[in-house]
Amino acid sequence: NAGVTQTPKFQVLKTGQSMTLQCAQDMNHNSMYWYRQDPGMGLRLIYYSASEGTTDKGEVPNGYNVSRLNKREFSLRLESAAPSQTSVYFCASSESVAGAENEQFFGPGTRLTVL
Amino acid sequence: GEDVEQSLFLSVREGDSSVINCTYTDSSSTYLYWYKQEPGAGLQLLTYIFSNMDMKQDQRLTVLLNKKDKHLSLRIADTQTGDSAIYFCAVKDYKLSFGAGTTVTVRA
Repeated sequence: NAGVTQTPKFQVLKTGQSMTLQCAQDMNHNSMYWYRQDPGMGLRLIYYSASEGTTDKGEVPNGYNVSRLNKREFSLRLESAAPSQTSVYFCASSESVAGAENEQFFGPGTRLTVL
Repeated sequence: GEDVEQSLFLSVREGDSSVINCTYTDSSSTYLYWYKQEPGAGLQLLTYIFSNMDMKQDQRLTVLLNKKDKHLSLRIADTQTGDSAIYFCAVKDYKLSFGAGTTVTVRA
């Protein structure tokens, strides 16, 4: 039982390049999330998927797109990377978006640098 | 949106108690959480409290909630070197809103 896995662990991009961050969970969770973590700012929600087939914007969606490929996988795409997108990206999953039992399980993160 | 604020740093001597404080703005928050992040890792849920509770104790952890002042605290008793980490307060209405995190350093 691997929990939430993310690939890659590290990535360096040049401004304007594109890339997709992959996330998968093996806990049969309905809901999945993408966050970014910046120093002194905590985690900010980029996009989330309450259930398979649905996606919604979070707090900071600009410059990103997501795909809920199936129940297990939720990818985050940067179409044209900018230095402001240098950050640590975390994927998380939970049974649902509602309720206290909505413990979110986090992946180990992807450290992205955009030059 | 919800504003969640925490002090950024806390230094504590091994064996002492640590108290990490958090304030939030939205009184409709239903659940309040404490997460721990160790270096190079993701966040791990430590504990949570319902908004209709004042206190919750779980082994060395005590969570206190003052709804009137919108203040949440986490007390770690007998702090150990393994408790060195970043601690995040998070509150939930329809989504989780996180504070910036408090870096706890345990000194010998």
